[in-house]
Amino acid sequence: EDQVTQSPEALRLQEGESSSLNCSYTVSGLRGLFWYRQDPGKGPEFLFTLYSAGEEKEKERLKATLTKKESFLHITAPKPEDSATYLCAYNTDKLIFGTGTRLQVFP
Amino acid sequence: GAGVSQSPSNKVTEKGKDVELRCDPISGHTALYWYRQSLGQGLEFLIYFQGNSAPDKSGLPSDRFSAERTGGSVSTLTIQRTQQEDSAVYLCASSALAGEWETQYFGPGTRLLVL
Repeated sequence: EDQVTQSPEALRLQEGESSSLNCSYTVSGLRGLFWYRQDPGKGPEFLFTLYSAGEEKEKERLKATLTKKESFLHITAPKPEDSATYLCAYNTDKLIFGTGTRLQVFP
Repeated sequence: GAGVSQSPSNKVTEKGKDVELRCDPISGHTALYWYRQSLGQGLEFLIYFQGNSAPDKSGLPSDRFSAERTGGSVSTLTIQRTQQEDSAVYLCASSALAGEWETQYFGPGTRLLVL
């Protein structure tokens, strides 16, 4: 069964303290790997799509990378406004989501 | 342009009542999806529509759940005889096409509380 696992479940960082979030998947075949950000009370907001191993994409303080079995979301020098739940999902026509990493960045 | 919109934003109902949730996809998007997000759990796929093809209903949890999409645009998710375990956030998404390479854009969700 296709499965997406995210770790850690929760992460507390001081402002400026860089870290990485992990998304590992056991799926048959490599397809689109998506990262979303979700703020409390809102729907997921699209961040990145990665399609092939070795691919990297960046947006402001975020960089997403992909290998054959996992993806990382690197957060460089985070700010309090980066606090949110970060979701990764594997696309098989419908999205199979991980349970997310809840990130809190303190000033 | 306008994103995905959903209504109502919040719905409180009594156990046993029927509810209808509405989704307006991004204009021109042919694929529309419904997901459910329960407290402390991940997003769970319910159903998706692609153009005039038969919908993929494989994620619907019971026959109390149904959805339709009229005119290839607006969709309504109906839950009959609601139960307390139906309480969740119901999210709608749309994409230009269906497929594993397509980005899905989400609406703000409808928060359903069944008393």
